Amino acid sequence: EAQVTQNPRYLITVTGKKLTVTCSQNMNHEYMSWYRQDPGLGLRQIYYSMNVEVTDKGDVPEGYKVSRKEKRNFPLILESPSPNQTSLYFCASSFRGEKLFFGSGTQLSVL
Amino acid sequence: SQQGEEDPQALSIQEGENATMNCSYKTSINNLQWYRQNSGRGLVHLILIRSNEREKHSGRLRVTLDTSKKSSSLLITASRAADTASYFCATDAGNNRLAFGKGNQVVVIP
Repeated sequence: EAQVTQNPRYLITVTGKKLTVTCSQNMNHEYMSWYRQDPGLGLRQIYYSMNVEVTDKGDVPEGYKVSRKEKRNFPLILESPSPNQTSLYFCASSFRGEKLFFGSGTQLSVL
Repeated sequence: SQQGEEDPQALSIQEGENATMNCSYKTSINNLQWYRQNSGRGLVHLILIRSNEREKHSGRLRVTLDTSKKSSSLLITASRAADTASYFCATDAGNNRLAFGKGNQVVVIP
């Protein structure tokens, strides 16, 4: 089954404790992207990647890192999480940035 | 950057009625897409309309695009309770950054 898999689904952590949210897709998509969703703000793009070893900043990249060492994986790294990074995170993938396929989301709480 | 803005932001209708929502944007686009989100889950792609198209249909969905007014509408005909969801428009300005609006909450009352 074609899918984008994010883990974990829920995560509670404390300020400053490094964490990684994993994302994997099995559709051989070149394009992958991370979004955060906050009430009243819609979805905002954090980072995106056009292909392996190619990543670019989105609208809200501060405090986040990504890597694209393999085509199928695009992990999101928070080196030192802060409470304002509490949010619902989505990974998505597609061919050429059209028709995005989304993961189920990761609800992150930073205390 | 945020570009699409949906209107109305909340809509409540009876099952069987049609639901119409609008999206406005500010800059030139290559295409505009509509997505549905059920209760905090991942978004699901519904339909894509390109800048040289004016209308597109997919099942009970009808999308129009007016590039002169920088606006699009999504019509859901004969709504069902299962259509209860948030609907987002997203614009592709050709810069690999699909910009989403804030969403439109639709509630279909059985």
